[in-house]
Amino acid sequence: KAGVTQTPRYLIKTRGQQVTLSCSPISGHRSVSWYQQTPGQGLQFLFEYFSETQRNKGNFPGRFSGRQFSNSRSEMNVSTLELGDSALYLCASGARDPTDTQYFGPGTRLTVL
Amino acid sequence: QKEVEQDPGPLSVPEGAIVSLNCTYSNSAFQYFMWYRQYSRKGPELLMYTYSSGNKEDGRFTAQVDKSSKYISLFIRDSQPSDSATYLCAMSEGSARQLTFGSGTQLTVLP
Repeated sequence: KAGVTQTPRYLIKTRGQQVTLSCSPISGHRSVSWYQQTPGQGLQFLFEYFSETQRNKGNFPGRFSGRQFSNSRSEMNVSTLELGDSALYLCASGARDPTDTQYFGPGTRLTVL
Repeated sequence: QKEVEQDPGPLSVPEGAIVSLNCTYSNSAFQYFMWYRQYSRKGPELLMYTYSSGNKEDGRFTAQVDKSSKYISLFIRDSQPSDSATYLCAMSEGSARQLTFGSGTQLTVLP
């Protein structure tokens, strides 16, 4: 069974630009969560999507948004990039039951110059 | 104060040692407790998953949860150099999906 895939793996942008990251969950999983990982703040929850609906949202500004498609693939968008947005963005895939745990992808490393 | 506190280390042990990793937390609503292992430049990999208090064993790994003390532990027996990684504790309330992570402990097992 294929794992969680994230594209692209590496990305370099400049301040003020916007970026879109993509995540394909494990086959059959309908929940996709996004996390930001930085050396200073660690891993922080961004939001979760289930069946195309955002169910939970972390404490991030509105510049961070996402969506999920009918095939469960998810995209995350960050507008008006800031230097502090440089991070590893991780996507996690979960099954139907909310008590089931999540499986993480390899992440997209975003560098903002 | 963070909701989940974890000693960042680094922790260095000889091969074969027993490793003890710990996290404390302040949110009494946490019910689901997990340990993830993260190698450099990789995503976190689930090691152990526990609901509520108690112990769980899987091979060389044992997870303990003490909700009365708000304290969780991961023990690694017969540690191997391949165990060298960052270990992250994570926990959540009613759903296992919105996880709150500790800052991670960097472990090195020396051959």
